[in-house]
Amino acid sequence: EPEVTQTPSHQVTQMGQEVILRCVPISNHLYFYWYRQILGQKVEFLVSFYNNEISEKSEIFDDQFSVERPDGSNFTLKIRSTKLEDSAMYFCASSEVGGRTEAFFGQGTRLTVV
Amino acid sequence: GDSVTQMEGPVTLSEEACLTINCTYTATGYPSLFWYVQYPGEGLQLLLKATKADDKGSNKGFEATYRKETTSFHLEKGSVQVSDSAVYFCALTHGQNFVFGPGTRLSVLP
Repeated sequence: EPEVTQTPSHQVTQMGQEVILRCVPISNHLYFYWYRQILGQKVEFLVSFYNNEISEKSEIFDDQFSVERPDGSNFTLKIRSTKLEDSAMYFCASSEVGGRTEAFFGQGTRLTVV
Repeated sequence: GDSVTQMEGPVTLSEEACLTINCTYTATGYPSLFWYVQYPGEGLQLLLKATKADDKGSNKGFEATYRKETTSFHLEKGSVQVSDSAVYFCALTHGQNFVFGPGTRLSVLP
């Protein structure tokens, strides 16, 4: 069964460093998303991406963050100059179409900023 | 903006007990509604969905009915198993992004 895959599963980084979280969405999906879940808290939307551009982003997704689809399969989230409060589980998701259908989530990358 | 409210957890039940996890939402228009489940150490998995009023989603013995009049989408199961222990998230979307509830942790004891 097709699935969204994320790497790495766990990333530890020092405050101020840049990290890139990687995702391979399901191959025929057109819409891609990043969400985050701070430990014990709710799942929060960061950004959605369609047709090689950002279609929507939340207030959390400030200039520190960027997304890219560098090739036909990968979808990345870059966090520049990480802060302690960026520590969270980051989930990538994809959906076949953008309208009201389910999104399929990856297993997540746990980012720990020390 | 849109929001989803779920009953506070954690919920602890004995095996074979009945489960109801309440979910209500505030949204413009008619969003699609979902229940996602997160097993320990794993990502979010779609459990069931409903895309219009009075639709009933069902999967693995769980079911939920889209109630427009009460803006609710309560999750129910007649007989829970230990393997159902997880965190359950109610969510909605109009198509661009998902809005999640805070999650309800369920523990089922043998």
